[in-house]
Amino acid sequence: SYELTQPPSVSVSPGQTARITCSGDALPNQYAYWYQQKPGQAPVLVIYKDSERPSGIPERFSGSSSGTTVTLTISGVQAEDEADYYCQSADSSGTYRVFGGGTKLTVL
Amino acid sequence: EVQLVESGGGLDQPGGSLRLSCAASGFTFSTYWMSWVRQAPGKGLEWVANIKQDGSEKDYVDSVKGRFTISRDNAKNSLYLQMNSLRVEDTAVYYCARDHSMDVWGKGTTVTVSS
Repeated sequence: SYELTQPPSVSVSPGQTARITCSGDALPNQYAYWYQQKPGQAPVLVIYKDSERPSGIPERFSGSSSGTTVTLTISGVQAEDEADYYCQSADSSGTYRVFGGGTKLTVL
Repeated sequence: EVQLVESGGGLDQPGGSLRLSCAASGFTFSTYWMSWVRQAPGKGLEWVANIKQDGSEKDYVDSVKGRFTISRDNAKNSLYLQMNSLRVEDTAVYYCARDHSMDVWGKGTTVTVSS
């Protein structure tokens, strides 16, 4: 079955830049989406179609794509950004959705 | 306000059945694909199933094929997940989400499968 691979954890100091990667063979042909999830809450979409930002999401959140890897970048990290982040995409057929394993962002 | 509200979760034994519901409001439900996503305790998100606007296409993760059935009633703005032959590993919070971007999520309903 198709898999998306994320690092389990990323740590940054406040004000620094956090980069979270997501790798998958079908990513050159399928859009990626990123979600933020805080404890006890439902996920929130922060990036769609690789690099688009929904309304209401701060400009410090951005997304990019290069080959089989997509990256979520959080510039000027704030304490409130501490959360789990998940990438999501589809397999090469576009039929089955899949989530990455999630990355815990710690703000030191 | 755009909103999704799940219901129907609870405790059931292995081999049992549950039917989850998701009530949509604040948007034109019939124009969107919809998904169910689950999260086992302390684990990551797992896509479970989705369904096309008119119900003509449905897809499932391999682990639930033949046991779970996704359906919808556009007249009632509702999404459903019929879960049969439940297993301990189906224990999770189940979310409904507006597809394909999953830009709207409910708060989830908890399913516990235990003897």
